[in-house]
Amino acid sequence: DAMVIQNPRYQVTQFGKPVTLSCSQTLNHNVMYWYQQKSSQAPKLLFHYYDKDFNNEADTPDNFQSRRPNTSFCFLDIRSPGLGDAAMYLCATSRELTDYTDTQYFGPGTRLTVL
Amino acid sequence: GEDVEQSLFLSVREGDSSVINCTYTDSSSTYLYWYKQEPGAGLQLLTYIFSNMDMKQDQRLTVLLNKKDKHLSLRIADTQTGDSAIYFCAESFNKLIFGAGTRLAVHP
Repeated sequence: DAMVIQNPRYQVTQFGKPVTLSCSQTLNHNVMYWYQQKSSQAPKLLFHYYDKDFNNEADTPDNFQSRRPNTSFCFLDIRSPGLGDAAMYLCATSRELTDYTDTQYFGPGTRLTVL
Repeated sequence: GEDVEQSLFLSVREGDSSVINCTYTDSSSTYLYWYKQEPGAGLQLLTYIFSNMDMKQDQRLTVLLNKKDKHLSLRIADTQTGDSAIYFCAESFNKLIFGAGTRLAVHP
């Protein structure tokens, strides 16, 4: 049974056209994360939500925003995608946030192409 | 600063053992993880080890931790073609810090 679901799996957008990626979870976890993974690179944490508390990584560009309307859903908004934003975007969840030692469960990812 | 390093590529013959190595920098990491990523897919948690352990075995997987050298390894016994994937080592230090991944290729 899918536990962390990402839609769509593949997204194509135009340079500068806003795009939203979706993540949902059936685990009832408190924490939801968004990672960016460029080709042949390590996943890079963009931000996370602990419940409704938003935590942005210091080096995440302002172009990236997130919303978490309820426990189950979290969205990644890219306001003006550039060519450099083409990547795989991974959503993950964890039950608690205890020095990040709680195991994170990842979704299948959304591959974003920017034309 | 935080850094996790892995060799980028490993090729093994089907049925042999694979050993994927990783070094990390933060000695205060509580957990160390191995994730598997198949083509076009997300990350699948394979196994993890608590920092006060030296070894953990889970079926075909054996994790060895050398805290003194900050070295972590993943051994896959009887490697199969289905094990072909990218394997990420990660340490937990305020957040998960991933290595760049080791691409494992299994050939007949």
